[in-house]
Amino acid sequence: DIQMTQSPSTLSASVGDTVTITCRASQSVRSWLAWYQQEPGKNPKLLIYKASNLESGVPSRFSGSGSGTEFTLTISSLQPDDSATYYCQQYNIYSWTFGQGTKLEIK
Amino acid sequence: QVQLVESGGGVVQPGKSLRLSCAASGFAFSNYAMHWLRQAPGQGPEWVAVITSDGSYKYYADSVKGRFTISRDRSKNTLYLQMNSLRAEDTAVYYCVRDGGAYDSGGPVDYWGQGTLVTVSS
Repeated sequence: DIQMTQSPSTLSASVGDTVTITCRASQSVRSWLAWYQQEPGKNPKLLIYKASNLESGVPSRFSGSGSGTEFTLTISSLQPDDSATYYCQQYNIYSWTFGQGTKLEIK
Repeated sequence: QVQLVESGGGVVQPGKSLRLSCAASGFAFSNYAMHWLRQAPGQGPEWVAVITSDGSYKYYADSVKGRFTISRDRSKNTLYLQMNSLRAEDTAVYYCVRDGGAYDSGGPVDYWGQGTLVTVSS
């Protein structure tokens, strides 16, 4: 199985800041990488697909980059409702795997 | 609009069985691979199984292989997960999700059901 490792596990930042979350794959997933946002008690919401493509309706403050084994999610101009847990997911092969999550707290 | 509605969850003793169902509507069910994911309390999502659009291929996570069976009924637009020999570690909310790539082209999750809770406990 492909292992996905996210860092950091937790993150604290202020409104207006820019933060970056990293996701590393144990082997190449090419660009088949997605990012999700999950607020407490809600389903995960797709933010980014194919590493850098913004899902329709997602603010342009969210951006993704990378390919192969290293990927980043950047959130600029942090807003209070960005407080959530963020997951990366590889879908290079049908045996999908998710990262363990990064919990973002807005101070 | 796309809707995925799971049912069948509940409390079950270790070693017993349970069948989950997912009624799909609002899209061409026969054109999409479908997956089951699960999320244990305080944990991230875990992929469980996938079935291709025509049902000809099925793949499972190692943790459920040999115990769980995914299937679909195209005439009823319904996805199933038969879970046998349940263990305490299978306790989670189970989600039916649509693969975002039509015609088995592969994609991330674009639609989720609301989830159904499975609790395995004596």
